[in-house]
Amino acid sequence: AQSVTQLGSHVSVSEGALVLLRCNYSSSVPPYLFWYVQYPNQGLQLLLKYTTGATLVKGINGFEAEFKKSETSFHLTKPSAHMSDAAEYFCAVSEAGNEKLTFGTGTRLTIIP
Amino acid sequence: KAGVTQTPRYLIKTRGQQVTLSCSPISGHRSVSWYQQTPGQGLQFLFEYFSETQRNKGNFPGRFSGRQFSNSRSEMNVSTLELGDSALYLCASSLGPGVRAYGYTFGSGTRLTVV
Repeated sequence: AQSVTQLGSHVSVSEGALVLLRCNYSSSVPPYLFWYVQYPNQGLQLLLKYTTGATLVKGINGFEAEFKKSETSFHLTKPSAHMSDAAEYFCAVSEAGNEKLTFGTGTRLTIIP
Repeated sequence: KAGVTQTPRYLIKTRGQQVTLSCSPISGHRSVSWYQQTPGQGLQFLFEYFSETQRNKGNFPGRFSGRQFSNSRSEMNVSTLELGDSALYLCASSLGPGVRAYGYTFGSGTRLTVV
């Protein structure tokens, strides 16, 4: 069965600092991996996804993530945090043959001015 | 291009009642998936419809049901509401079945409060 673990339910970083949100997954088959962002009272917006091929994936708003099979990780990073990045971030996995999304519990990112 | 439309945005119901939520996908999209978001359980898959057929179902009791119409609009129904059904219900629209091949576009959700 597929599962996702997001370490740290709350992360605070200073404006301009590196953002690192951690995601580890469990999957019995090669997974597709996703990062979504949710702003208050809104739905989910796709930041980026890994399917196959290049393990470093670039997404919107300057975010990127690297798929590391040996570590079963898909951590999200952004070199320089902006106030508008304050939101909740969800990592998700999908397996072939069971194409629903299984989400992690989310990480709320706070940006300190 | 209009996005995914969920109605109503907010809903307050009494325990024991039933409720119907609506989702209109992006024009041309034929698949709709539903997710429940709660503080305790997080985001959980409810079901997926494609061409009026349920393709996949999550681990929810039979009180939760859904359907899809020929114009791809979808409704989900929850009968005999319980306090624990209070949640944000999100609809995701895609061109075809499965998030891997087609990706999702999410609506803003319907926030259901059961009192």
